Amino acid sequence: DVKVTQSSRYLVKRTGEKVFLECVQDMDHENMFWYRQDPGLGLRLIYFSYDVKMKEKGDIPEGYSVSREKKERFSLILESASTNQTSMYLCAAKAGGSGNTIYFGEGSWLTVV
Amino acid sequence: DQQVKQNSPSLSVQEGRISILNCDYTNSMFDYFLWYKKYPAEGPTFLISISSIKDKNEDGRFTVFLNKSAKHLSLHIVPSQPGDSAVYFCAASGISYGKLTFGQGTILTVHP
Repeated sequence: DVKVTQSSRYLVKRTGEKVFLECVQDMDHENMFWYRQDPGLGLRLIYFSYDVKMKEKGDIPEGYSVSREKKERFSLILESASTNQTSMYLCAAKAGGSGNTIYFGEGSWLTVV
Repeated sequence: DQQVKQNSPSLSVQEGRISILNCDYTNSMFDYFLWYKKYPAEGPTFLISISSIKDKNEDGRFTVFLNKSAKHLSLHIVPSQPGDSAVYFCAASGISYGKLTFGQGTILTVHP
């Protein structure tokens, strides 16, 4: 099975702080994703990457940026955290092609105060 | 624009009975559909999937049905067990790097 590891499970940050969420996958998958989950809204795609140094905006990219310098690592950056970015953040990885399953990490709970 | 919709926020079922979770989509370019199960404070785990060339896929107690003309899919769990209590998300993907579009989720509660 694919293992997707998110470095921080629980974080509390202050408004205006720069926040880094790190994600590593162990299966050499091309595609990696960052989602956030909020009650009643499901999982919404923030950014995804289909190759090293490549990135595409998802449905809600505002206030976020990403970095993919190595194939196994995909980082989500909140340049200036705000309270409306309090959420559960989920990283995922997937092999190429539309029919393959996407595998999620355990999630990172971010609270911005 | 919600391309994948789960219109029932919650579902309550007795142990041993059938659970039916529904999902509708609007984008006719979607060709692969998945169901994920999520417990609190954990990441979603893959449950079952179906390609648009099929109308049914079974895996043990779980069966997914796809009605392409109605743009509707459903997940049947028979028999339901208390351990099935979780949030269930349906998701859909097309050819665009396989990124998944998720529904809002349905909270399933199975009572002993």
